[in-house]
Amino acid sequence: NAGVTQTPKFRVLKTGQSMTLLCAQDMNHEYMYWYRQDPGMGLRLIHYSVGEGTTAKGEVPDGYNVSRLKKQNFLLGLESAAPSQTSVYFCASRPMDRGRETQYFGPGTRLLVL
Amino acid sequence: EDKVVQSPLSLVVHEGDTVTLNCSYEVTNFRSLLWYKQEKKAPTFLFMLTSSGIEKKSGRLSSILDKKELFSILNITATQTGDSAVYLCVLGAGFQKLVFGTGTRLLVSP
Repeated sequence: NAGVTQTPKFRVLKTGQSMTLLCAQDMNHEYMYWYRQDPGMGLRLIHYSVGEGTTAKGEVPDGYNVSRLKKQNFLLGLESAAPSQTSVYFCASRPMDRGRETQYFGPGTRLLVL
Repeated sequence: EDKVVQSPLSLVVHEGDTVTLNCSYEVTNFRSLLWYKQEKKAPTFLFMLTSSGIEKKSGRLSSILDKKELFSILNITATQTGDSAVYLCVLGAGFQKLVFGTGTRLLVSP
């Protein structure tokens, strides 16, 4: 089991450029999440998905879009990057069992927008 | 508004010391309280607490929840340099909602 993997690990963008962050999990988890982590802010939920083909907004969704075309993949897109989107992005997944609220995190993607 | 407050913000101890990390919270729909350890990269799960007064233990780490006073503590005994990390307290609050604290940064010096 690779667990939760994220690509790329690090990326530098110029303002206005677009990119897609990929999250993949091989644990057959139904739920997947995208967070961003900024100094002094803790982790904040951007978007999440409760199953293939479904997505929902989290706490800070503006400027991001997501897609869950396959159960194992959850894509986070930035259509027009802004310096405020400089952050570390974490993907997480968890099984559907309501008793197990632990999320498994990926290693993170560090994004710098100039 | 749901929130999690952790203290201290940072802590430096010597190897072998015992530390206690604090987490207090406010929530409208409590489901669980979780502790994560974050080293250089992804947070890794330590404990999930749902009931008051029941201590969870894993090796030198233990945690307990007080739902009446709305706090939890994480204890680490006989600290080692490998315990150096940021410890995150996370509140499960309603469907799909996790509220993260900003963490306590622990540095264990040899």
